[in-house]
Amino acid sequence: SQQGEEDPQALSIQEGENATMNCSYKTSINNLQWYRQNSGRGLVHLILIRSNEREKHSGRLRVTLDTSKKSSSLLITASRAADTASYFCATDLYGNKLVFGAGTILRVKS
Amino acid sequence: EAGVAQSPRYKIIEKRQSVAFWCNPISGHATLYWYQQILGQGPKLLIQFQNNGVVDDSQLPKDRFSAERLKGVDSTLKIQPAKLEDSAVYLCASSLLEFYNEQFFGPGTRLTVL
Repeated sequence: SQQGEEDPQALSIQEGENATMNCSYKTSINNLQWYRQNSGRGLVHLILIRSNEREKHSGRLRVTLDTSKKSSSLLITASRAADTASYFCATDLYGNKLVFGAGTILRVKS
Repeated sequence: EAGVAQSPRYKIIEKRQSVAFWCNPISGHATLYWYQQILGQGPKLLIQFQNNGVVDDSQLPKDRFSAERLKGVDSTLKIQPAKLEDSAVYLCASSLLEFYNEQFFGPGTRLTVL
C-alpha cells in the first residue's frame, strides 16, 4: 500500500513559473524525503525534512512539513526546462524504510 | 565518487524463465535496497540489507524472488520463474547509514516479461 499520495498527478507550467506539489500521508513518520526521477533514470534525492522541522530550503527548492495535517509540499521556484521530471515524496516510518507515493509528473515548457 | 551501478540495463525474457540482476552500491554504504517500480507508480521496497544481513523482506514474493548480498558489498536479485506482472524497473539503492538518511539510486534494470 502507498503511504504518500502526491497532488496533482501532473502539472504543466511555463519556464520561470513556480511549481508546487503536495504530498499527504497516513501515519506518523520519522522524516519525509523528496526525490526526482528523469525519464528512464534512477531517482535523485532532493531534500529530507525531519518530523520536528517545519520548513527546509535547498537552492530553488522549498519544502514544508505539517505533521498535524500529515502533509508536505515541494515548491520549485523559477522553474527551468531541466526541471521536467517526476517528483516523488517518500515517508520514512522506521529504519530508513521508505514508502513512496505515485508521484507528480512535472512538465516545464520553454 | 562513483554511483550505484546496476546491470543489465534492459532485459527481455519469456514468462517462466529466470533472470538475475546485479547491483554494486557506493563504496562504504552499509545499507542496500532493492525496489520494484511498475510503470506509472512509485518504487516499492522489496528487500533491505544491512551489511550482508536482511533487515526487511516483508514485500518480497519469496516463492519466486530471492536476493543475496555476499560479503556485504554487491547484491543480486533473482526471479524464478518470471510472470508477466513482474515487468517493471528494478532499482537498487544504497545509503551510508541504516537510519534517517538519503538513499542513492542506480539507473535501474528495465525488465520486460513476454
